[in-house]
Amino acid sequence: DIQMTQSPSTLSASVGDRVTITCRASQNINSWLAWYQQRPGRAPELLIYRASSLETGVPSRFSGSESGTEFTLTINSLQPDDFATYYCLQYDSYPLTFGGGTKVEI
Amino acid sequence: EVQLVQSGAEVKKPGESLRISCKASGYIFTSYWISWVRQMPGKGLEWMGRIGPGDSYTRYSPSFEGHVVISADKSTGTAYLQWSSLEASDSAMYYCARQPPGTNTGYHIDSWGQGTLLTVSS
Repeated sequence: DIQMTQSPSTLSASVGDRVTITCRASQNINSWLAWYQQRPGRAPELLIYRASSLETGVPSRFSGSESGTEFTLTINSLQPDDFATYYCLQYDSYPLTFGGGTKVEI
Repeated sequence: EVQLVQSGAEVKKPGESLRISCKASGYIFTSYWISWVRQMPGKGLEWMGRIGPGDSYTRYSPSFEGHVVISADKSTGTAYLQWSSLEASDSAMYYCARQPPGTNTGYHIDSWGQGTLLTVSS
């Protein structure tokens, strides 16, 4: 299985901050990576797919990038709605695997 | 509008069987795969497996193969996740999710159901 190591597990930030979350894949996943946001008590929602493509309707303060097997989600100017847990997902190989999650808290 | 509407919360005893459902609307059901994802209390997301409703081909994570069965009914646009003998460790939130098909693993999950909470306790 491909392991997705996500860091940090928890991140404390303030409104207006720029935050970065990282996922490292245990092997090449050919940019087949997505990012999801999960608010408490809610289902996850797609933010980014194919490592850097912004899903329709997602604010432009969210962006994704990659460097080899390291993938980064950046949130510019953190908004109150952005305090949530974020997950990466690799869909290059079976079984699909998620990162452990990053909780962004105030 | 794409919608995946899941069946309601369940409380079951160990050893009992269960089938939960996920009804799709707003798109052509057979044109997308349906994946199931588990989230144990306070934990992260785990992909369990998926089905292609068009041909009923399934693929499971080794962690779940043999313990659950994924199926789909094209006539009603509904996917299912079932257990024949529940365990306390099956207590979790279960999400169905839509996945565009592809040549191997498909593409990213793009829509999610609201989740079905399962509690297994004696």
